[in-house]
Amino acid sequence: AQKITQTQPGMFVQEKEAVTLDCTYDTSDPSYGLFWYKQPSSGEMIFLIYQGSYDQQNATEGRYSLNFQKARKSANLVISASQLGDSAMYFCAMREYDYKLSFGAGTTVTVRA
Amino acid sequence: DAGITQSPRYKITETGRQVTLMCHQTWSHSYMFWYRQDLGHGLRLIYYSAAADITDKGEVPDGYVVSRSKTENFPLTLESATRSQTSVYFCASSHAPSLDPNGEQFFGPGTRLTVL
Repeated sequence: AQKITQTQPGMFVQEKEAVTLDCTYDTSDPSYGLFWYKQPSSGEMIFLIYQGSYDQQNATEGRYSLNFQKARKSANLVISASQLGDSAMYFCAMREYDYKLSFGAGTTVTVRA
Repeated sequence: DAGITQSPRYKITETGRQVTLMCHQTWSHSYMFWYRQDLGHGLRLIYYSAAADITDKGEVPDGYVVSRSKTENFPLTLESATRSQTSVYFCASSHAPSLDPNGEQFFGPGTRLTVL
């Protein structure tokens, strides 16, 4: 079974608008972590934000926030005030007890001027 | 420069040849990982290592061999390359859980491998 599901293969967003990228996960491990990575066209993997399963508050890092709904097993990434440089592929990933990461298939975001 | 490096960055080889992809990190991270990235699959774990001389299989280990004689190096070998192993390969590293319970992984720049 897929551990991480990203249902949006691609999205378009207007510059300065907000965009939400969906991520659902599946685990029976009570202690886990959720990550979002950005992969621009140059190919490198850039860490954006982290949410631990026991964290009470949603994580935020600048224009990135993670909408964590534990009961629904979702960890959506919200990018506020989109910029042209936000055009990239975005991956959701989950770390379980064994410290390995499981990745979703990714969502391509294209920001339009 | 400190960090995590991969070599070569690009490699073209032929079916049946042996290929070794190198990964080197300067952070003294305990954990190291090899992933492959294919369209529609995201990144999939090939092998990982929790410490020198300790390695374990990931999701897609078939056709690959790893070793870790030194903490800073984690080479990945394709013993007899096949076309299905054409992919982008990423190496990553992280601290041990005692130092970083979050388990953030730091990625190398990737190696684009083409098997003809």
